[in-house]
Parts: sequence; structure tokens; C-alpha cells
Amino acid sequence: GDSVTQMEGPVTLSEEAFLTINCTYTATGYPSLFWYVQYPGEGLQLLLKATKADDKGSNKGFEATYRKETTSFHLEKGSVQVSDSAVYFCALRRGGATNKLIFGTGTLLAVQP
Amino acid sequence: NAGVTQTPKFQVLKTGQSMTLQCAQDMNHEYMSWYRQDPGMGLRLIHYSVGAGITDQGEVPNGYNVSRSTTEDFPLRLLSAAPSQTSVYFCASSYSKKGGRSSLYEQYFGPGTRLTVT
Repeated sequence: GDSVTQMEGPVTLSEEAFLTINCTYTATGYPSLFWYVQYPGEGLQLLLKATKADDKGSNKGFEATYRKETTSFHLEKGSVQVSDSAVYFCALRRGGATNKLIFGTGTLLAVQP
Repeated sequence: NAGVTQTPKFQVLKTGQSMTLQCAQDMNHEYMSWYRQDPGMGLRLIHYSVGAGITDQGEVPNGYNVSRSTTEDFPLRLLSAAPSQTSVYFCASSYSKKGGRSSLYEQYFGPGTRLTVT
């Protein structure tokens, strides 16, 4: 079945460091891919998305490119801030009549000043 | 617009008790769903609904019931709580597929209900 695999955390970085969180997926057809962010004590918010191969999603300095050849959707940011500390979830949606999301296990990012 | 609201924020139950987690949205979304979040497991789909009167099971439906009598509300019922149901529960809503416009697929999540079953 469809699945999403994320790198294990926690990831601890100093402010202004470069961030990569790896995400790979297994799915039939052409899924849409998402990154969600969960700040402490809150629900999930959509960070960025890509709906077809080679699309690049971007938001708040974060980027991810839909790579069909490597079935990957890695999240990157050039310079992290303390306020980026959160749990990041990679997810896919296969589409069709429903709108089910399949999530990875989440990666905790802790940014230190 | 309140978005997706969930009540209560916290709940402690004893094994065998029943309760209903409430979820409401004011965005006229057809699609609503319930997830549970457990450490190291990400979010797993419990039940979902594509419109009023229509519900279906997700990945982990056992021990939970749902109904969808209105577009706005999608309550989740635990009939006989068990310690394995200790988790954080999230409700989400979105538009359903309309003419293939993928921009309408974004799911909006509520703030969650933290449930402990002792």
C-alpha cells in the first residue's frame, strides 16, 4: 500500500543553519505531496505542496521539489530560525473520490539560538 | 471564520466509559475526517466522510463510531474507552474533488483533543 517514510528526529540545528528533512514515498499513480508543520500545542498547518512531478512547493523560506524518479519530496530551508522549531510531517494524497492523507511519522526540529 | 473547532481540549476517561469528541467547521467543506496521533506513528486516519449522511472507515476504525447528520459537524464516539485509545485526536476538513482542481484539496486541521484513558 501507499506509504511515506521520513528521516527520524529529532534534528537539532543552530540558528541560520541549513535544513534538510528527507521524505520518500511509495504510491501507485501520481500522488500529490505535502509538508505539514505542527507547532507546540497546536494542530497541523499546511506548509507547502506539489501536485505533479518536478513541481516545487515553497512557503516561508521552505522548499520541496517533487522528484518522481527518486520518489522523494525533501524539505529544505537555507537559514532556520528559532521560530521554525516544530514537528514536520510529510504526507501524500492519492486522490480519487476521497481525500485521504497518508502521513509520515513526523520529524521534530529544534533550533537553538 | 472559526475554521475547524474541536471540544474538549483535554479529557481523562476511565476504561469502559464512553464519550463523544466534537468537531465542527464553518467553511462548508464536504470532506471531514478524524485522525489519531501517536508517538512514532504519525497521524492515522480513523474515519472520514465525503458529505452529510456518508461515512467510511479509515486505517484504524475499531472502537470508534462516527455520523454526519449535517455538513458542519462530525462527532467521533468512543463507545467503551480502552487505554490503547490514549492519543491526541485531530479533526480535519476540506473541499472534495471539484472538476479536478487540486487547489481545493487543502485540509484544515483543528487544534486537537488530548485523551487519556486510565
